[in-house]
Amino acid sequence: GNSVTQMEGPVTLSEEAFLTINCTYTATGYPSLFWYVQYPGEGLQLLLKATKADDKGSNKGFEATYRKETTSFHLEKGSVQVSDSAVYFCALSDRGGTSYGKLTFGQGTILTVHP
Amino acid sequence: DTGVSQDPRHKITKRGQNVTFRCDPISEHNRLYWYRQTLGQGPEFLTYFQNEAQLEKSRLLSDRFSAERPKGSFSTLEIQRTEQGDSAMYLCASSSYAQTYEQYFGPGTRLTVT
Repeated sequence: GNSVTQMEGPVTLSEEAFLTINCTYTATGYPSLFWYVQYPGEGLQLLLKATKADDKGSNKGFEATYRKETTSFHLEKGSVQVSDSAVYFCALSDRGGTSYGKLTFGQGTILTVHP
Repeated sequence: DTGVSQDPRHKITKRGQNVTFRCDPISEHNRLYWYRQTLGQGPEFLTYFQNEAQLEKSRLLSDRFSAERPKGSFSTLEIQRTEQGDSAMYLCASSSYAQTYEQYFGPGTRLTVT
């Protein structure tokens, strides 16, 4: 079956530090990959996505590259802000059969950014 | 469009009672998903509708759980004879057929079973 593994948190950084959150996946097919973010008190929001190998998703200064050879989709940001404090979820979506669109999530990584 | 809405936002119930949650998807979205999220974990898939047809159910969805989407618009998730293990956040998401890969989530319904 499909699975997603994220680096364990929580992650605590100072403002303007570099962020990496590791994500690896196992999939039976050729999935699409996502990062979702959950800010305190809010619902899940799509942060970025990549649908094929070597695609780079980017949004709000965050980037992630779909690496098929290493089955990874690591999230990076060059300079984090206090407002980036949230829970980040890596997820994949299978493309085939009746599971079309169903998301499989990692366990989430809590990010706290201090001024 | 105001996005995906869920009602209620919070529900506290006693063990053994039945509860029903409602999800209103984005109006033009024909795909609707239910997920469950427990503390410290990522959401887990429960079930999926395309229009009014329920096309997939997770093994997590025991016989006490039932979901409907009459007329392909809003959806309801009912839990009968609730147990303490049902305590979780229940999330609804929707997507369009053209952009299946982009699911939009509602704020969730937090269920506490005492």
